[in-house]
This record gives sequence, structure tokens and C-alpha cells, in this order.
Amino acid sequence: QKEVEQDPGPLSVPEGAIVSLNCTYSNSAFQYFMWYRQYSRKGPELLMYTYSSGNKEDGRFTAQVDKSSKYISLFIRDSQPSDSATYLCAMSAGSASKIIFGSGTRLSIRP
Amino acid sequence: GAVVSQHPSRVICKSGTSVKIECRSLDFQATTMFWYRQFPKKSLMLMATSNEGSKATYEQGVEKDKFLINHASLTLSTLTVTSAHPEDSSFYICSARSTLLADTQYFGPGTRLTVL
Repeated sequence: QKEVEQDPGPLSVPEGAIVSLNCTYSNSAFQYFMWYRQYSRKGPELLMYTYSSGNKEDGRFTAQVDKSSKYISLFIRDSQPSDSATYLCAMSAGSASKIIFGSGTRLSIRP
Repeated sequence: GAVVSQHPSRVICKSGTSVKIECRSLDFQATTMFWYRQFPKKSLMLMATSNEGSKATYEQGVEKDKFLINHASLTLSTLTVTSAHPEDSSFYICSARSTLLADTQYFGPGTRLTVL
């Protein structure tokens, strides 16, 4: 079993829809949780960074962490065609630990 | 803040030549830098981890004599693909980690290597 599981998609939704992207993990020591966005032929860009459980909101993006279920989510409200990209979750147990990445979910927003 | 640059962004070379890719953290000091390889529509594959002033740690299956990594300073790491072959053609991405910022990794824009 991989430490971090992420559905590869592709996920296709109409413009304006709410998108839910998810990852599950097995290591209960993970404390730091991140979401990256990667456009085609570009490096990943950090979108959201959270520590421990709870929600964090930034504009149209909300990151949610449920440590009891070992489940994290990224919600995108009012999705736009420019949100079409691959989204990677990532997590670590702390500064001395390796950051583990999910395999990424390809998202396509249809105009 | 937290900008990472890579140079060159694209390189085409002949089989048998060596290619050097630079990765720089522009506005922070990176305690650790990472090198990834990515094939089209595939996930990131970690190649090696480098700490400033010490030898890089390579992932299983990655040839350290073929992919030479030098981490000369807290802001610069280089990856040299030696005696490149067409199967080395790929997208190479570096990232830098700083525990003084949010403890996460910041990625460079990537380098597309094509070996003819």
C-alpha cells in the first residue's frame, strides 16, 4: 500500500462547478499537508499549506484535513477553465522528514 | 517570495554529450534540494536529495554516476546528465526546501531535455 493515495482521474467538470479533490494516507505521523497545481510542461506550484486538522480557505480554494480519517481534500469553488491542471497532494511528518507526494489528479474544466 | 529558477528551460543535445542543469533558490536559502524526473502525463519521480556540502542521496534505481549532483551552496544545485542517451529525454524538475519558510518544497519551472 502506498503511503499516499490519490485518484489519477481524469476528472472533467463544467465551468462554475464545485470541484472536490481528495487524498488518503496511511502514516498517522503526517502533520503538514500541501496541495500543488501543475500546468502542462511546468513545475508544480504550491497552492495550499496546512498544519494538522481543520480547514484553510484562500479565495476559491479550501483545504480540509481530517486526521482521524487520514483524509485530505481540496475544494475549488466557481471553477474556471484556467483551473484545468494536475493537482498533487503532499504531506510530511515534519522538517526532518521526507515530503511524500500523491500521484496527482488531472482536472479539466469544460467552458 | 520562495522563487526557484532553473536553467536552461529547454535543451537539445546529441547522444553521448553531457548536459548540466542549474537550480537556484532566488530569495531564500535552501537547506535541501531535490531533483525529479517526469514523463508525459506521469507523476513526479524523485531521483535524488541533496544537502549543501554533502553527497546527494539517490533513490533506488537511479545511477549516481550518470546523474551527477552538486550542491555547492545554499542557493545552487546542479544536475549533470553524463553521456546522455535518447532514453534520458525527459522533463527534469528541481525543488528547494527551507525550514525557515513554511516547511514545504518550492519547485522550479522545469527543464525539458531532448537527446537526439
